[in-house]
Amino acid sequence: GAGVSQSPSNKVTEKGKDVELRCDPISGHTALYWYRQSLGQGLEFLIYFQGNSAPDKSGLPSDRFSAERTGGSVSTLTIQRTQQEDSAVYLCASSSWTSGSTDTQYFGPGTRLTVL
Amino acid sequence: AQSVTQLDSHVSVSEGTPVLLRCNYSSSYSPSLFWYVQHPNKGLQLLLKYTSAATLVKGINGFEAEFKKSETSFHLTKPSAHMSDAAEYFCVVSAADTGRRALTFGSGTRLQVQP
Repeated sequence: GAGVSQSPSNKVTEKGKDVELRCDPISGHTALYWYRQSLGQGLEFLIYFQGNSAPDKSGLPSDRFSAERTGGSVSTLTIQRTQQEDSAVYLCASSSWTSGSTDTQYFGPGTRLTVL
Repeated sequence: AQSVTQLDSHVSVSEGTPVLLRCNYSSSYSPSLFWYVQHPNKGLQLLLKYTSAATLVKGINGFEAEFKKSETSFHLTKPSAHMSDAAEYFCVVSAADTGRRALTFGSGTRLQVQP
């Protein structure tokens, strides 16, 4: 079946512009995650959705970062007033976690964001 | 709190020789442990996972890992390396039983396979 998809695959933007990154999870997966992969910081958790709510936003680095999920499916990560340090690969993952089971997260190919 | 330490940033082996990628973890709770692989310009692919059933876990492409609680280790091995194994490997810990769902990643080990 189809895996996690992300768009765009690459995004180049100018400092100060807003960007939106999209994630389509595996069909039926109720949990959705955003991570960021950068040279200096490795792979970092950003935010987690269960359904449309976000119980854990602890990884969002600043209030310029926000995310939403609608219909329990597609999610959008928005970065406002982008800075050069936002340049990274943004990875989305989804899982079909249910209480009492081990959460296996399946990752998309990522969006490479470059802020000039 | 939980953390993962990958002991080698780079490992180089010859094709056909064994692979050993080392990982130590720290977790206050019973952890779930994973190995993911990332090929150049590709997403992360799950190799295997440990979930407190068998301590020796077999994964895809001939990889396996052994959970050793006394050593807090979860090293990844493969008997015979193939050129296609060249990639970055991440050891990952989850403490889902705490209610926290985020994965904690190690810093990665880049595996080179020489012909």
